[in-house]
Amino acid sequence: AQTVTQSQPEMSVQEAETVTLSCTYDTSESNYYLFWYKQPPSRQMILVIRQEAYKQQNATENRFSVNFQKAAKSFSLKISDSQLGDTAMYFCAFMKPRYFSGYALNFGKGTSLLVTP
Amino acid sequence: DAGVIQSPRHEVTEMGQEVTLRCKPISGHDYLFWYRQTMMRGLELLIYFNNNVPIDDSGMPEDRFSAKMPNASFSTLKIQPSEPRDSAVYFCASSLAHQPQHFGDGTRLSIL
Repeated sequence: AQTVTQSQPEMSVQEAETVTLSCTYDTSESNYYLFWYKQPPSRQMILVIRQEAYKQQNATENRFSVNFQKAAKSFSLKISDSQLGDTAMYFCAFMKPRYFSGYALNFGKGTSLLVTP
Repeated sequence: DAGVIQSPRHEVTEMGQEVTLRCKPISGHDYLFWYRQTMMRGLELLIYFNNNVPIDDSGMPEDRFSAKMPNASFSTLKIQPSEPRDSAVYFCASSLAHQPQHFGDGTRLSIL
Protein backbone atom coordinates (compact mmCIF):
# COMPACT_ATOMS: atom_id res chain seq x y z
CA ALA A 1 0.00 0.00 0.00
CA GLN A 2 1.12 3.52 -0.71
CA THR A 3 1.93 5.67 2.32
CA VAL A 4 1.92 9.44 2.45
CA THR A 5 3.92 11.27 5.12
CA GLN A 6 3.55 14.87 6.16
CA SER A 7 6.26 15.50 8.71
CA GLN A 8 5.11 18.93 9.86
CA PRO A 9 1.99 18.69 12.05
CA GLU A 10 1.82 22.47 12.50
CA MET A 11 3.30 25.50 10.79
CA SER A 12 2.95 29.22 11.11
CA VAL A 13 3.68 32.01 8.65
CA GLN A 14 3.18 35.75 8.60
CA GLU A 15 0.88 37.37 6.11
CA ALA A 16 2.57 38.09 2.75
CA GLU A 17 5.40 35.66 3.46
CA THR A 18 6.13 32.37 1.70
CA VAL A 19 5.74 28.96 3.31
CA THR A 20 6.52 25.44 2.12
CA LEU A 21 4.68 22.34 3.31
CA SER A 22 6.43 19.00 2.96
CA CYS A 23 5.08 15.68 1.72
CA THR A 24 6.80 12.42 0.93
CA TYR A 25 5.27 9.21 -0.33
CA ASP A 26 6.22 5.63 -0.82
CA THR A 27 5.31 3.74 -3.97
CA SER A 28 6.76 1.35 -6.52
CA GLU A 29 4.47 2.67 -9.22
CA SER A 30 5.63 4.88 -12.07
CA ASN A 31 2.25 6.31 -13.03
CA TYR A 32 0.24 8.12 -10.37
CA TYR A 33 -1.27 11.43 -9.34
CA LEU A 34 -0.56 13.67 -6.38
CA PHE A 35 -2.84 16.26 -4.86
CA TRP A 36 -2.93 18.92 -2.20
CA TYR A 37 -6.28 19.53 -0.54
CA LYS A 38 -7.08 22.37 1.85
CA GLN A 39 -9.53 22.03 4.75
CA PRO A 40 -10.40 25.36 6.38
CA PRO A 41 -12.27 25.55 9.69
CA SER A 42 -15.51 25.30 7.71
CA ARG A 43 -14.58 21.63 7.19
CA GLN A 44 -14.82 21.70 3.38
CA MET A 45 -12.21 19.75 1.44
CA ILE A 46 -10.96 21.99 -1.35
CA LEU A 47 -8.62 20.89 -4.11
CA VAL A 48 -5.59 23.18 -4.23
CA ILE A 49 -3.39 21.63 -6.88
CA ARG A 50 -2.77 18.40 -8.78
CA GLN A 51 0.35 16.87 -10.32
CA GLU A 52 0.62 13.98 -12.76
CA ALA A 53 3.73 11.89 -12.15
CA TYR A 54 4.56 11.63 -15.83
CA LYS A 55 4.81 15.42 -16.15
CA GLN A 56 8.17 16.86 -15.27
CA GLN A 57 6.88 20.40 -15.08
CA ASN A 58 5.77 21.45 -11.63
CA ALA A 59 2.11 22.43 -11.34
CA THR A 60 1.14 25.97 -10.37
CA GLU A 61 -2.17 27.57 -9.45
CA ASN A 62 -1.85 31.29 -8.80
CA ARG A 63 -0.03 31.65 -5.45
CA PHE A 64 0.27 27.87 -5.02
CA SER A 65 3.01 25.81 -6.62
CA VAL A 66 4.58 22.43 -6.05
CA ASN A 67 8.11 21.09 -6.09
CA PHE A 68 7.74 17.57 -7.42
CA GLN A 69 10.84 15.42 -7.09
CA LYS A 70 9.89 12.03 -8.49
CA ALA A 71 13.15 10.24 -7.72
CA ALA A 72 13.07 11.47 -4.15
CA LYS A 73 9.32 10.80 -3.88
CA SER A 74 8.76 14.29 -2.60
CA PHE A 75 5.86 16.63 -3.31
CA SER A 76 6.04 19.92 -1.42
CA LEU A 77 3.55 22.78 -1.61
CA LYS A 78 4.71 26.38 -1.70
CA ILE A 79 2.30 29.15 -0.81
CA SER A 80 3.49 32.59 -1.86
CA ASP A 81 2.17 35.88 -0.50
CA SER A 82 0.31 34.08 2.29
CA GLN A 83 -3.13 35.41 3.15
CA LEU A 84 -5.20 35.06 6.30
CA GLY A 85 -7.65 32.94 4.32
CA ASP A 86 -4.93 30.36 3.75
CA THR A 87 -5.25 29.31 7.39
CA ALA A 88 -6.34 25.70 7.13
CA MET A 89 -5.35 22.06 7.38
CA TYR A 90 -3.47 20.95 4.28
CA PHE A 91 -3.54 17.33 3.15
CA CYS A 92 -1.24 15.68 0.67
CA ALA A 93 -2.84 12.78 -1.21
CA PHE A 94 -1.66 10.03 -3.54
CA MET A 95 -3.69 8.28 -6.19
CA LYS A 96 -2.66 5.30 -8.26
CA PRO A 97 -4.97 4.97 -11.22
CA ARG A 98 -6.39 1.49 -11.39
CA TYR A 99 -8.22 1.55 -14.62
CA PHE A 100 -10.39 -1.42 -13.80
CA SER A 101 -10.89 -0.90 -10.11
CA GLY A 102 -10.89 2.75 -9.24
CA TYR A 103 -9.11 5.86 -8.18
CA ALA A 104 -9.10 6.05 -4.39
CA LEU A 105 -6.98 8.61 -2.54
CA ASN A 106 -4.45 7.88 0.20
CA PHE A 107 -4.11 10.90 2.46
CA GLY A 108 -1.32 12.09 4.73
CA LYS A 109 -2.11 13.11 8.30
CA GLY A 110 -2.16 16.78 7.38
CA THR A 111 -0.31 19.98 8.27
CA SER A 112 -2.12 22.70 10.17
CA LEU A 113 -1.12 26.08 8.76
CA LEU A 114 -1.74 29.30 10.66
CA VAL A 115 -1.30 32.60 8.85
CA THR A 116 -0.78 35.49 11.27
CA PRO A 117 -1.20 39.22 10.66
CA ASP B 1 -23.33 23.59 -10.80
CA ALA B 2 -24.33 21.86 -7.60
CA GLY B 3 -21.52 20.13 -5.78
CA VAL B 4 -21.66 16.94 -3.78
CA ILE B 5 -24.55 17.21 -1.34
CA GLN B 6 -24.48 15.42 1.99
CA SER B 7 -27.14 15.22 4.64
CA PRO B 8 -27.49 15.70 7.49
CA ARG B 9 -24.70 18.15 8.26
CA HIS B 10 -24.74 17.18 11.91
CA GLU B 11 -26.14 14.10 13.60
CA VAL B 12 -26.26 13.40 17.31
CA THR B 13 -27.71 10.13 18.47
CA GLU B 14 -27.46 7.62 21.26
CA MET B 15 -25.43 4.48 21.22
CA GLY B 16 -27.24 1.56 19.68
CA GLN B 17 -29.34 3.63 17.32
CA GLU B 18 -29.26 3.25 13.56
CA VAL B 19 -27.62 6.09 11.66
CA THR B 20 -28.06 6.79 7.96
CA LEU B 21 -25.88 9.27 6.11
CA ARG B 22 -26.86 10.41 2.64
CA CYS B 23 -24.98 11.63 -0.39
CA LYS B 24 -25.88 13.00 -3.79
CA PRO B 25 -22.88 13.02 -6.13
CA ILE B 26 -22.23 15.48 -8.91
CA SER B 27 -24.28 14.60 -11.96
CA GLY B 28 -22.25 12.68 -14.52
CA HIS B 29 -19.60 11.47 -12.10
CA ASP B 30 -19.03 7.72 -12.22
CA TYR B 31 -17.13 7.23 -8.96
CA LEU B 32 -18.43 7.78 -5.46
CA PHE B 33 -16.31 7.53 -2.31
CA TRP B 34 -17.06 7.48 1.40
CA TYR B 35 -14.31 8.67 3.78
CA ARG B 36 -14.15 8.98 7.54
CA GLN B 37 -12.07 11.62 9.32
CA THR B 38 -10.96 11.35 12.94
CA MET B 39 -8.20 13.03 14.90
CA MET B 40 -6.50 9.72 15.60
CA ARG B 41 -6.63 8.13 12.16
CA GLY B 42 -6.97 11.09 9.80
CA LEU B 43 -8.86 10.57 6.55
CA GLU B 44 -9.65 6.96 5.76
CA LEU B 45 -11.36 5.51 2.74
CA LEU B 46 -14.29 3.34 3.74
CA ILE B 47 -15.75 2.22 0.43
CA TYR B 48 -16.10 3.35 -3.15
CA PHE B 49 -18.42 2.68 -6.05
CA ASN B 50 -18.02 2.74 -9.81
CA ASN B 51 -21.21 3.10 -11.81
CA ASN B 52 -23.20 2.23 -8.67
CA VAL B 53 -21.28 -1.00 -8.07
CA PRO B 54 -19.16 -1.36 -4.92
CA ILE B 55 -15.54 -1.84 -5.95
CA ASP B 56 -13.61 -1.89 -2.68
CA ASP B 57 -15.13 -2.07 0.78
CA SER B 58 -11.97 -3.17 2.57
CA GLY B 59 -11.97 0.04 4.58
CA MET B 60 -15.35 -0.59 6.15
CA PRO B 61 -14.47 -1.13 9.80
CA GLU B 62 -17.07 -3.70 10.79
CA ASP B 63 -20.24 -5.45 9.75
CA ARG B 64 -22.12 -2.69 11.53
CA PHE B 65 -21.27 -0.48 8.55
CA SER B 66 -22.99 -0.86 5.21
CA ALA B 67 -23.22 1.30 2.10
CA LYS B 68 -25.49 1.27 -0.89
CA MET B 69 -25.80 3.12 -4.15
CA PRO B 70 -29.20 2.28 -5.63
CA ASN B 71 -28.79 4.70 -8.51
CA ALA B 72 -26.31 7.16 -9.99
CA SER B 73 -27.59 10.08 -7.95
CA PHE B 74 -27.83 8.70 -4.44
CA SER B 75 -25.81 6.76 -1.89
CA THR B 76 -26.23 5.92 1.78
CA LEU B 77 -23.85 4.89 4.53
CA LYS B 78 -25.57 3.13 7.39
CA ILE B 79 -24.29 2.25 10.85
CA GLN B 80 -26.33 -0.20 12.87
CA PRO B 81 -25.95 -0.36 15.81
CA SER B 82 -23.92 2.79 16.36
CA GLU B 83 -21.17 3.05 18.98
CA PRO B 84 -19.37 6.06 20.51
CA ARG B 85 -16.17 5.18 18.62
CA ASP B 86 -18.04 5.77 15.36
CA SER B 87 -18.07 9.49 16.15
CA ALA B 88 -16.29 11.24 13.30
CA VAL B 89 -16.79 13.41 10.25
CA TYR B 90 -17.96 11.37 7.28
CA PHE B 91 -17.25 12.70 3.80
CA CYS B 92 -18.71 11.69 0.50
CA ALA B 93 -16.79 12.51 -2.68
CA SER B 94 -17.37 11.93 -6.36
CA SER B 95 -15.23 12.03 -9.46
CA LEU B 96 -15.20 11.34 -13.16
CA ALA B 97 -12.62 8.59 -13.66
CA HIS B 98 -9.18 9.81 -12.56
CA GLN B 99 -10.16 13.46 -12.36
CA PRO B 100 -9.87 15.12 -8.95
CA GLN B 101 -12.45 14.14 -6.38
CA HIS B 102 -15.01 16.69 -5.28
CA PHE B 103 -16.02 16.47 -1.65
CA GLY B 104 -19.25 17.23 0.11
CA ASP B 105 -19.30 19.33 3.25
CA GLY B 106 -19.29 16.24 5.45
CA THR B 107 -21.55 14.94 8.20
CA ARG B 108 -20.34 15.40 11.75
CA LEU B 109 -21.59 12.35 13.64
CA SER B 110 -21.65 12.22 17.41
CA ILE B 111 -22.66 9.02 19.17
CA LEU B 112 -23.41 9.52 22.85
